[in-house]
Amino acid sequence: GEDVEQSLFLSVREGDSSVINCTYTDSSSTYLYWYKQEPGAGLQLLTYIFSNMDMKQDQRLTVLLNKKDKHLSLRIADTQTGDSAIYFCALSGGYQKVTFGTGTKLQVIP
Amino acid sequence: GAVVSQHPSRVICKSGTSVKIECRSLDFQATTMFWYRQFPKQSLMLMATSNEGSKATYEQGVEKDKFLINHASLTLSTLTVTSAHPEDSSFYICSAGGGQGGGETQYFGPGTRLLVL
Repeated sequence: GEDVEQSLFLSVREGDSSVINCTYTDSSSTYLYWYKQEPGAGLQLLTYIFSNMDMKQDQRLTVLLNKKDKHLSLRIADTQTGDSAIYFCALSGGYQKVTFGTGTKLQVIP
Repeated sequence: GAVVSQHPSRVICKSGTSVKIECRSLDFQATTMFWYRQFPKQSLMLMATSNEGSKATYEQGVEKDKFLINHASLTLSTLTVTSAHPEDSSFYICSAGGGQGGGETQYFGPGTRLLVL
């Protein structure tokens, strides 16, 4: 099956940029997502990218996809304390079945 | 984005009882809904895929007789944890495919936290 790995923890200072990384094994993934989960809450879809794209920017969020290295990243510009949460990358290779990464806890220091 | 609700948000039950969790897509029709389980500090694990009007497809290792899934309409899927035990305590999250984000986008409910005593 698909393996999707993320680093467990990232700490940044408020105002700095955050970069959350994700590596995966299945190159047939069509859709690649980033979700945010705040404590005790469900998942919030932040953004997604198609596998035929290299980059997508949406306000403070920039997604980069390196298909050769099977590497996906999420950059959050001007990180705020409200960005503190767990971030999951997720991949879908077929119709709607999604595999989630291990999650990265982002801590923003004021 | 599309809205998916879950009810209840939290439930505490005694061991041996059954608990039903509802998942509703409020502003779009979802032919497919998914049920996930998330243990503390872990990622989401897909339990089953629920298709409207047909039997659910369960992931390997998930007991279909223990986790009963019913998808009776395009806006409602239910997960019933039968004869719940403490090890079933978890955060259960549903998602629905479709909506404005495109056919592959899943919209997640807020989750249901189950505690079995």
